Amino acid sequence: DAGVIQSPRHEVTEMGQEVTLRCKPISGHDYLFWYRQTMMRGLELLIYFNNNVPIDDSGMPEDRFSAKMPNASFSTLKIQPSEPRDSAVYFCASSFSVNQPQHFGDGTRLSIL
Amino acid sequence: GENVEQHPSTLSVQEGDSAVIKCTYSDSASNYFPWYKQELGKRPQLIIDIRSNVGEKKDQRIAVTLNKTAKHFSLHITETQPEDSAVYFCAAPGGTSYGKLTFGQGTILTVHP
Repeated sequence: DAGVIQSPRHEVTEMGQEVTLRCKPISGHDYLFWYRQTMMRGLELLIYFNNNVPIDDSGMPEDRFSAKMPNASFSTLKIQPSEPRDSAVYFCASSFSVNQPQHFGDGTRLSIL
Repeated sequence: GENVEQHPSTLSVQEGDSAVIKCTYSDSASNYFPWYKQELGKRPQLIIDIRSNVGEKKDQRIAVTLNKTAKHFSLHITETQPEDSAVYFCAAPGGTSYGKLTFGQGTILTVHP
């Protein structure tokens, strides 16, 4: 299996622009997670899905952030409008079930100028 | 929700020494405890996990112990090598949302040759 695939790997854009991050989970995994990692706040869970349905979005910073999972093989995390404080590494992870290992993608390094 | 505390935040050892990282959790219902290793610029990768029906698990130089009564679990690395240098994260499930993990703040392990 190719593992969790994220794109783009790097994104540099100016504040105010819309940013869309993409994730393809491992086939057969029912859970998909979006994390944000910064030096100050560590690894934070933003939102997660079970069978394409959002279960907990309490970690989403504010209304500028939204996430969708239109099918079992694709998810997006969108930031509109972006701000410099959104600069971070965003990871997508998937797992087969609860209490099973989460497999992380390589992440998207986002820089908002 | 679940609260996971990880100590120490940094750990420096000489090659060949042992390293121990400890985590405590708050939700007594938690029953799955993974450990992740993250090298600089890379994704977190699962190195070992333990479930609540066992007290210890070993995989070569790595072991994890669990004390459910005290609600803490520890990662033990023996005969450390420079390539063990990385950030290590513990995690625990629990809280109000079934299926997610709460991560500790991470331990930066440096192994000096």
